[in-house]
Amino acid sequence: KAGVTQTPRYLIKTRGQQVTLSCSPISGHRSVSWYQQTPGQGLQFLFEYFSETQRNKGNFPGRFSGRQFSNSRSEMNVSTLELGDSALYLCASSPGLSTYEQYFGPGTRLTVT
Amino acid sequence: AQTVTQSQPEMSVQEAETVTLSCTYDTSESDYYLFWYKQPPSRQMILVIRQEAYKQQNATENRFSVNFQKAAKSFSLKISDSQLGDAAMYFCAYRRGNAGNMLTFGGGTRLMVKP
Repeated sequence: KAGVTQTPRYLIKTRGQQVTLSCSPISGHRSVSWYQQTPGQGLQFLFEYFSETQRNKGNFPGRFSGRQFSNSRSEMNVSTLELGDSALYLCASSPGLSTYEQYFGPGTRLTVT
Repeated sequence: AQTVTQSQPEMSVQEAETVTLSCTYDTSESDYYLFWYKQPPSRQMILVIRQEAYKQQNATENRFSVNFQKAAKSFSLKISDSQLGDAAMYFCAYRRGNAGNMLTFGGGTRLMVKP
């Protein structure tokens, strides 16, 4: 079974631009969560989607948004990029809500210049 | 809000020896789960071991075991017979029960394994 895939793997954007990151969960998984990882703040939860509905949301500004499609694929969008948005964005999928295992993707490395 | 603290930013261990990584957490919940994740240089997070708060028995997965002290809110990871491939960042994580899959992570411990 294929693992969690994230595209693109690397991205360079300019301050003020917007960006969309994509995550394809493991086949059959219906929950997708997003995390931001930075050297200063560590790993922080962004949001979780299950059956196309946002179930949980972390403490991030409204510039960060996401959605989930009927095939469980998820996208996250960051508008008006700031230098501090440079990070590794990790996606994780689970079969359902409140399940034991979450499987992480390889991440998307976003650099904002 | 729940917090997870890993007080050891870096640890080193000799190959084949045993090392223990520390983690403490703060929560007022009674239903929760604790996890240890490994993040090698490839950056792919890998689940090492999990512990359900309602279970008194400490979880074990091959060379990895935990010491779960619920009253002290402590959750340490013991790696026995350390191997070079164990070198990585290790993150302790907390999840509330029946509240989705949202994980709260500690700051991580970098483990170095010396040959």
